[in-house]
Amino acid sequence: KAGVTQTPRYLIKTRGQQVTLSCSPISGHRSVSWYQQTPGQGLQFLFEYFSETQRNKGNFPGRFSGRQFSNSRSEMNVSTLELGDSALYLCASSYADTKQYFGPGTRLTVT
Amino acid sequence: KNEVEQSPQNLTAQEGEFITINCSYSVGISALHWLQQHPGGGIVSLFMLSSGKKKHGRLIATINIQEKHSSLHITASHPRDSAVYICAVRGETSGSRLTFGEGTQLTVNP
Repeated sequence: KAGVTQTPRYLIKTRGQQVTLSCSPISGHRSVSWYQQTPGQGLQFLFEYFSETQRNKGNFPGRFSGRQFSNSRSEMNVSTLELGDSALYLCASSYADTKQYFGPGTRLTVT
Repeated sequence: KNEVEQSPQNLTAQEGEFITINCSYSVGISALHWLQQHPGGGIVSLFMLSSGKKKHGRLIATINIQEKHSSLHITASHPRDSAVYICAVRGETSGSRLTFGEGTQLTVNP
């Protein structure tokens, strides 16, 4: 089985712009979670989608949003980028609430 | 106080040594994960535990639900074990949402 894939792997954006990141889960996995990792805050939960519905949301501003498609692929969007949004964004997929499989991450740099 | 606390934050060992990383948490959980992150960012899930003990190769993970504590042991450590090890918990009613410890940076010298 192919692993979790994320695109793009690296991204440089300017403050004020918006960005969309994509995550393709392992085939058959219906849960996709998104996480942000920064040196200062560590790993933090953004949101989780299960069967196209947002099941959980972390403590992030409304500029962070996401969605899941019928094929379980998920996207997250960050609008009005700030310097502090520079981070590694990881998605993870799982079958129900079992072990999570992480993608390689998208490294976003905001200048 | 963080919901998930790990110790130590940094650990340096010589090849062959037995290593223990500890994780304490303060909330009710449905499962605890041990993750490994190498430089470059990729995260690998090592174990998911809800009770007892699991073993995979040289790695052993244990959990004591009553004491809200888990340990990750590495036997016969090797330089390729050098990585950040992260403890994460899944709450009782939080779906797949994980809350993470700060991680333990392990360096194994040859």
